[in-house]
Amino acid sequence: QLQLQESGPGLVKPSETLSLTCTVSGGSISSNNYYWDWIRQPPGKGLEWIGSIYYSGSIYYNPSLKSRVTISEDTSKNQFSLKVSSVTAADTAVYYCARQFPSGWYPGWGQGTLVTVSS
Amino acid sequence: EIVMTQSPATLSVSPGERATLSCRASQSVSSNLAWYQQKPGQAPRLVIYGASTRANGIPARFSGSGSGTEFTLTISSLQSEDFALYYCQQYNNWPRTFGQGTKVEIK
Repeated sequence: QLQLQESGPGLVKPSETLSLTCTVSGGSISSNNYYWDWIRQPPGKGLEWIGSIYYSGSIYYNPSLKSRVTISEDTSKNQFSLKVSSVTAADTAVYYCARQFPSGWYPGWGQGTLVTVSS
Repeated sequence: EIVMTQSPATLSVSPGERATLSCRASQSVSSNLAWYQQKPGQAPRLVIYGASTRANGIPARFSGSGSGTEFTLTISSLQSEDFALYYCQQYNNWPRTFGQGTKVEIK
């Protein structure tokens, strides 16, 4: 059974870079046709798609975040990662990693990790 | 970007009654629409994809309908475990976008 687990610092200072890793078990991130995504949810608010990395290496970003976001993968460790630069309090959120089926829905999510931006 | 608008924001329903949630897209998304259930402190759980196909393990009391810009999630007889937040999501276009959610609460 596929499992995804986010990891990284829970507290980041304003203007610094937020870095998270998603470790995938029970399946390979190199599997054909799947996307591997980051989605976030500010406290008490809705879900915001951040970006996707395709099994082929293609990457898609939310235009609203594109200038500050980098998504990458490490197939040797079966992990993919997120970096958000120049963070502000508005980047405080629970960050989820998720597998997106080829058609576009999300059957599998990590448990989420809260990242707080504060000095 | 396609904007997804859900209504109502909060739905108060008694156990055993029917709940009807709406989701509207700012432009056609065909049938490329999913619904998710989220409980406090948990990740979202896929309920419906393809506008009307139940995900694995989802009870038959959940049904989805619609296409184009108007979609509905119906819970035919609410059980205690169904009280939660529900989000719609379109995957017809990039960026993927979600509605703001409907909270189904006990009346």
